[in-house]
Amino acid sequence: NAGVTQTPKFRILKIGQSMTLQCTQDMNHNYMYWYRQDPGMGLKLIYYSVGAGITDKGEVPNGYNVSRSTTEDFPLRLELAAPSQTSVYFCASSYGHGSQETQYFGPGTRLLVL
Amino acid sequence: AQSVTQLDSHVSVSEGTPVLLRCNYSSSYSPSLFWYVQHPNKGLQLLLKYTSAATLVKGINGFEAEFKKSETSFHLTKPSAHMSDAAEYFCVVSEPGTALIFGKGTTLSVSS
Repeated sequence: NAGVTQTPKFRILKIGQSMTLQCTQDMNHNYMYWYRQDPGMGLKLIYYSVGAGITDKGEVPNGYNVSRSTTEDFPLRLELAAPSQTSVYFCASSYGHGSQETQYFGPGTRLLVL
Repeated sequence: AQSVTQLDSHVSVSEGTPVLLRCNYSSSYSPSLFWYVQHPNKGLQLLLKYTSAATLVKGINGFEAEFKKSETSFHLTKPSAHMSDAAEYFCVVSEPGTALIFGKGTTLSVSS
């Protein structure tokens, strides 16, 4: 099991460019999540998905879009990159969505917008 | 509303000495509580979790945490620090039907 994998590991974008952060999990988890981590802060939820075809906004969704066409993949799209989106992005997955569920995290994508 | 406060942004210990990372939480319900560890340039890894069973929870790598409802605390401890414990530690609270709430993190430094 590779667990949760993310690509790319690091990317530099110019203001206004777009890109897709890829996330794949091989644990057959129904639930997937995207977080951002800013310096000195905990993780903030951007979007989550409860299964293929179903997504919902988290705490900080503005400027991002997601899709979930398969159980395994949950890409995060930035349409018009802004300096405020400079952050480290983590994808996670879990079997269920209850408060006791463990989320499994990918290694992260470091994004710099200049 | 639920919240979590990590009382120290940075803790420094010597190898072989005890580790204490402090976490207080606020919750209207019976929460689940987690400690995650993040090594440099790595993803988050679950250390341990409390889910309303035993109040003393044992995790990986010799870490443990005690849920104290009266003090609304969930402090993380380890009897003897190792150099490999140097990392960022996050306390996380979760209530039914809500997203995980992360603390701001505590950086643990271990010197030889």
